[in-house]
Amino acid sequence: EAQVTQNPRYLITVTGKKLTVTCSQNMNHEYMSWYRQDPGLGLRQIYYSMNVEVTDKGDVPEGYKVSRKEKRNFPLILESPSPNQTSLYFCASSQRTTNTGELFFGEGSRLTVL
Amino acid sequence: SQQGEEDPQALSIQEGENATMNCSYKTSINNLQWYRQNSGRGLVHLILIRSNEREKHSGRLRVTLDTSKKSSSLLITASRAADTASYFCAPASGGSYIPTFGRGTSLIVHP
Repeated sequence: EAQVTQNPRYLITVTGKKLTVTCSQNMNHEYMSWYRQDPGLGLRQIYYSMNVEVTDKGDVPEGYKVSRKEKRNFPLILESPSPNQTSLYFCASSQRTTNTGELFFGEGSRLTVL
Repeated sequence: SQQGEEDPQALSIQEGENATMNCSYKTSINNLQWYRQNSGRGLVHLILIRSNEREKHSGRLRVTLDTSKKSSSLLITASRAADTASYFCAPASGGSYIPTFGRGTSLIVHP
């Protein structure tokens, strides 16, 4: 089954404790992206990757890192989480070459930073 | 990157009624997509309309696009309680064809 898998789905952590949210897709998609969703602010893009070893900042990249060493994986790293990074995070992927850009989303990772 | 702005922000209707949501964007687009999000879940692609198309149908969904007004609308006919969700329009412009998102319209359909 075609899917985007995120882990963990739920996480409570403390300020400053490094964490990684993993994202994996099994559709051989070139494009992958991370979003955060906060009440009243909609979906905001954090980082995206057009292909392996190619990453770029989205609208709200501060406090986050990403890497794209393999096509299927695109982890989101919070080196020193802070309470303002408490949010619902989504990973998404797309096959750019189809000329449609339809995005496939994971189920989300709800992060709480105390 | 541009994003769509949905209107209204919230919509409450009775089952069986039609629901219309509008989207405006700022610059020329390659295509515009609509997504649905059930509470707290991942977004799901509903329909895509290309810049050279004016109307598209998919089941109970009807999407229109007016590039001269830089606007689109999503009509859900004969709404059901299961249509309760947030709906996002996502215009895609530039060479990447990757859509960007706004704040969405929250639709509640009362049984």
